[in-house]
Amino acid sequence: DAMVIQNPRYQVTQFGKPVTLSCSQTLNHNVMYWYQQKSSQAPKLLFHYYDKDFNNEADTPDNFQSRRPNTSFCFLDIRSPGLGDAAMYLCATSRVGGNTEAFFGQGTRLTVV
Amino acid sequence: GESVGLHLPTLSVQEGDNSIINCAYSNSASDYFIWYKQESGKGPQFIIDIRSNMDKRQGQRVTVLLNKTVKHLSLQIAATQPGDSAVYFCAEKDTGNQFYFGTGTSLTVIP
Repeated sequence: DAMVIQNPRYQVTQFGKPVTLSCSQTLNHNVMYWYQQKSSQAPKLLFHYYDKDFNNEADTPDNFQSRRPNTSFCFLDIRSPGLGDAAMYLCATSRVGGNTEAFFGQGTRLTVV
Repeated sequence: GESVGLHLPTLSVQEGDNSIINCAYSNSASDYFIWYKQESGKGPQFIIDIRSNMDKRQGQRVTVLLNKTVKHLSLQIAATQPGDSAVYFCAEKDTGNQFYFGTGTSLTVIP
């Protein structure tokens, strides 16, 4: 029973060519997150949405943007991918407040050529 | 973001032994902590959590200990099995909605 679904699982894009990664959820959670995870590193939070309120991390490059058209879907847009943007991108969701964990998708592995 | 770090990047244990994975956090205002397990090519999977008003919580074969005095968190896995081989991350939730992850420990179980 997939609850946080990321598509595609693997994405190859050309250097400088805009790319969009997708995430959907069936949990009806208020909060959706995007993390970047490079090899042998911890997931790094890029930004999150609380409902329609966008919250960017201070060190997230402008090259990364996000859209959340409705509760179920959230997109990560990389405007001009560089070789250093090759990574696993993880989407997660959680309920607002309280002590409740974040639920993760299986990730999209992005390769930049 | 807050700093959440681990002492040991790799850990190898014999099958059947107990494993202990440690984590230090820096934000004394964090009130909720989670341990995640991540297998190769997959997303993090929830293992166990603990609130800041607790010092110990037990699950099936896993125990999390929280020492707020020294801002230290540990995960104990009893009778470690080959299927436990993975990378383990601690994460803290701050007063907002953000989850920040520690460095991670790669656990290898030797049959």
